[in-house]
Amino acid sequence: QTVVTQEPSFSVSPGGTVTLTCGLSSGSVSTSYYPSWYQQTPGQAPRMLIYRTNTRSSGVPDRFSGSILGNKAALTITGAQADDESDYYCVLYMGSGIWVFGGGTKLTVL
Amino acid sequence: QVQLQESGPGLVKSSETLSLTCTVSGDSISTYYWSWIRQPPGKGLEWIGYIFYTGSTNYNPSLKSRVTISVDTSKNQFSLKLTSVTAADTAVYYCARGGTELGIGYWGQGTLVSVSS
Repeated sequence: QTVVTQEPSFSVSPGGTVTLTCGLSSGSVSTSYYPSWYQQTPGQAPRMLIYRTNTRSSGVPDRFSGSILGNKAALTITGAQADDESDYYCVLYMGSGIWVFGGGTKLTVL
Repeated sequence: QVQLQESGPGLVKSSETLSLTCTVSGDSISTYYWSWIRQPPGKGLEWIGYIFYTGSTNYNPSLKSRVTISVDTSKNQFSLKLTSVTAADTAVYYCARGGTELGIGYWGQGTLVSVSS
C-alpha cells in the first residue's frame, strides 16, 4: 500500500516562511490526488486550511497557501506566527474512493 | 453553522463491537459525503471511511472487513460500527463532513473510545 509521507517535524522563526511537503512512497503527487491540508492543535479537532491543492478554506488567512512543488504537494506558511505552532496533516485521494492521511508534521515556531 | 456531535460508549471490551453515532445539525445529511476518522493517542489521523446519503460507502482497505458505516436521514445521523476491536482501536474518533475533493470542512469535537481487555 502506498504511504503518504510528511516531514515529522519542522521549525520556523517568527515572521519566517516554511514549506511543508506531502509526498508518496512511490510516485508523484499531482492535482489529481486532490491534496488537502489540516491544522491541529493539542486537544482540538483538525481544521481544514487548503483543499483541492490550493483553495483556501473559508476564513483561512492568505499567508497559508498550497501548491504542487516538484513531485509533492506543499503547504507554505508566510510570515509565521506563534499560533501557527501546530501539527499539520495532508490527505490524498488514492482513487476508488480511498483517502489516505500523511503522518503529520509537527511545526515549531521559535 | 454546521455542527457534528459524536455519541457512544467511551469504553468497549476487546473482541466486541464499537458503535458510534454522529448527529448533524445546521445542515441536511442528504447533501454531502460524511466521514469517520480516528486518531490513536499521540499519533496521526487515519481515515476510516465515508458514506453518501444514498447509502453508498467507501472504506479504508485496512479496516474494510470490520467496518460498517450507515446513515439515517430521518434523524440526520450517520453511524460507525467496528467489530472485533483490540487495543489498537483505542483512539479519538471524529465524525466529519467530507470525502470528496472539497476536503473535510467540518469536524465533530471527537470522542475517545478505549478498548479494555
